Amino acid sequence: GESVGLHLPTLSVQEGDNSIINCAYSNSASDYFIWYKQESGKGPQFIIDIRSNMDKRQGQRVTVLLNKTVKHLSLQIAATQPGDSAVYFCAEGPKTDSWGKFQFGAGTQVVVTP
Amino acid sequence: DTGVSQNPRHKITKRGQNVTFRCDPISEHNRLYWYRQTLGQGPEFLTYFQNEAQLEKSRLLSDRFSAERPKGSFSTLEIQRTEQGDSAMYLCASSPSGGNQPQHFGDGTRLSIL
Repeated sequence: GESVGLHLPTLSVQEGDNSIINCAYSNSASDYFIWYKQESGKGPQFIIDIRSNMDKRQGQRVTVLLNKTVKHLSLQIAATQPGDSAVYFCAEGPKTDSWGKFQFGAGTQVVVTP
Repeated sequence: DTGVSQNPRHKITKRGQNVTFRCDPISEHNRLYWYRQTLGQGPEFLTYFQNEAQLEKSRLLSDRFSAERPKGSFSTLEIQRTEQGDSAMYLCASSPSGGNQPQHFGDGTRLSIL
């Protein structure tokens, strides 16, 4: 079946370095993508989103890149800080009447080392 | 705090008992979603509401599960005759209506079945 998945289950990054988290998706009907950050014991926190008519979107210290040709999504975090340690999920939403029926990947654990 | 509120935060119960969780969405959000999350996995969609109407239910939502949003504001998720496999984090999210929109999550209710 079609799914959302992540390439790396764990990413270790040194404080101050840039982080790149990757996500592969296979549903060509997906129209909307979101990155969430989840800290232990908390719900997912919205980071940034991108629609399928865009290739890149920037936020504060974060950039999301969408490559529809290879069905690939990435999240770049600039100058990674200890507070960025968390699990990061990508989620995709279909271009159908099922608005908001997001499908999540399994997540990537980001560990920031001093 | 005007975010999504869920209670209780933790629920421990014996197998076979019924449990009910409550979600209070962001007040101006018309859509409300329920997800289930097990350890190490991303959230799995269960069901969602547009105002008081339940528009979609996942196959994951067995007959033992029922969700309501009677006045289009708060929602409840009830699990009858709980089983060991129901142990999970139950997350609620809300969003505005109008195509795909960012979903904002509560911190969930963690259910443990003894």
